[in-house]
Amino acid sequence: EVQLVQSGAVMKKPGESLKISCQGSGFSFTSYWIAWVRQMPGKGLEFMGILYPRDSDTRYSPSFQGHVSTSADKSISTAYLQWTSLKSSDTAMYFCARRGAGGTADTFDLWGQGTMVTVSS
Amino acid sequence: QSALTQPASVSGSPGQSITISCTGTSSDVGGYNYVSWYQHHPGKAPKLMIYDVTKRPSGVPSRFSGSKSGNTASLTISGLQAEDEADYYCSSYTSSNSWVFGGGTKLTVL
Repeated sequence: EVQLVQSGAVMKKPGESLKISCQGSGFSFTSYWIAWVRQMPGKGLEFMGILYPRDSDTRYSPSFQGHVSTSADKSISTAYLQWTSLKSSDTAMYFCARRGAGGTADTFDLWGQGTMVTVSS
Repeated sequence: QSALTQPASVSGSPGQSITISCTGTSSDVGGYNYVSWYQHHPGKAPKLMIYDVTKRPSGVPSRFSGSKSGNTASLTISGLQAEDEADYYCSSYTSSNSWVFGGGTKLTVL
């Protein structure tokens, strides 16, 4: 089955570090860009950045540059989103999404189920 | 990049048609035919329903259709069904080589 499976919900304290994951299966993981999308409580979706696992080429939205980082482990078809120092404002649902290829290259054709991150003291 | 503007909520009865609008600027919606629509049932993975303004991925019912005029794109669902009740998000590719999403619209099937 073609799918993206994300790591489970997590609760952290401000200042702590965190790495969440997104594992692809059923498709050639290194042939697609993987994006990260944030949804804060009660709000819409926000594009954070996008990573090409084959060569780790990464592009960030200016709103998120410097606060998060993305990476990938090609050997296990997994992309990561990482924080070195969480803030309470990072509390949100985070989705990974696959950018389509060919005729669907300008959309996100496959999504993970989301990872809820709660940051609270 | 400001979020695309969507109505917070729309509703309709089974069998009726509804339209959800998505307004951006000439730097996103108006500048590219790369508008997508996603259906999201909370707790599940969002699902692509429309891409490139009007195209439907395989498996999406023909009841779902998309259009665009100027800086505003629209999603129309005809013959509403109970299972269509969900949150809907639009997105567009932008002149910044990035993507912008809408704030989401909650569809209620009465």
